[in-house]
Amino acid sequence: QSALTQPASVSGSPGQSITISCTGTSSDIGGYDYVSWYQQHPGKAPKLMIYEVTNRPSGVSDRFSGSKSGNTASLTISGLQAEDEADYYCSSYTSKNILVFGGGTKLTVL
Amino acid sequence: QVQLVESGGGVVQPGGSLTLSCAASGFIFSSYGMHWVRQSPGRGLDGVTFIGHDGGNKFYGDSVKGRFTISRDNSKNTLYLQMNSLRSDDTAVYYCAKLGSAWDVDFWGQGTLVTVSS
Repeated sequence: QSALTQPASVSGSPGQSITISCTGTSSDIGGYDYVSWYQQHPGKAPKLMIYEVTNRPSGVSDRFSGSKSGNTASLTISGLQAEDEADYYCSSYTSKNILVFGGGTKLTVL
Repeated sequence: QVQLVESGGGVVQPGGSLTLSCAASGFIFSSYGMHWVRQSPGRGLDGVTFIGHDGGNKFYGDSVKGRFTISRDNSKNTLYLQMNSLRSDDTAVYYCAKLGSAWDVDFWGQGTLVTVSS
């Protein structure tokens, strides 16, 4: 059982927008602005897409955006493209000083 | 460019030991905290352990506490994970991961597979 809760799967058609939620508690997501999101293609290492709730690393498309409200963080992907099909994981800081992740969401581009 | 290259994975019997290494390059290794993260086959990501930039602070997940030890040699730009009393549920790909600016991981290694099986 993962510390953070994500939907197992989401889907959308090319050009559409989708949002993936990540729910935690006041001890993690709700207590700190250290939420990050990772994209993982099959057989590959994860890639950082969003850090500190809303920030994009250099080179990440501005179609990816992050937000947070209370104990829930969200990743929105606009203008869906076939290459966006992957697994997405959220992560948050906790006082345990160990990375905690959501269970992952499989994005299917129809 | 940043590179993290793990080695040391393999097949080990239950109760056995294994040491993983991660060779870092392309950044000032001694300035950054480092994580080990694992991923069991077909499963999600699991934070295993973290070490501060100078090795002074170490933290462990509950499932590995007392069995795994993280360490680093800043003179060799290398991160280690000593794994003892291995169990079948430790079977996973183990990733070496560099701490970013805000408790994120901005670079990941390619991973090394550890299989615990008799």
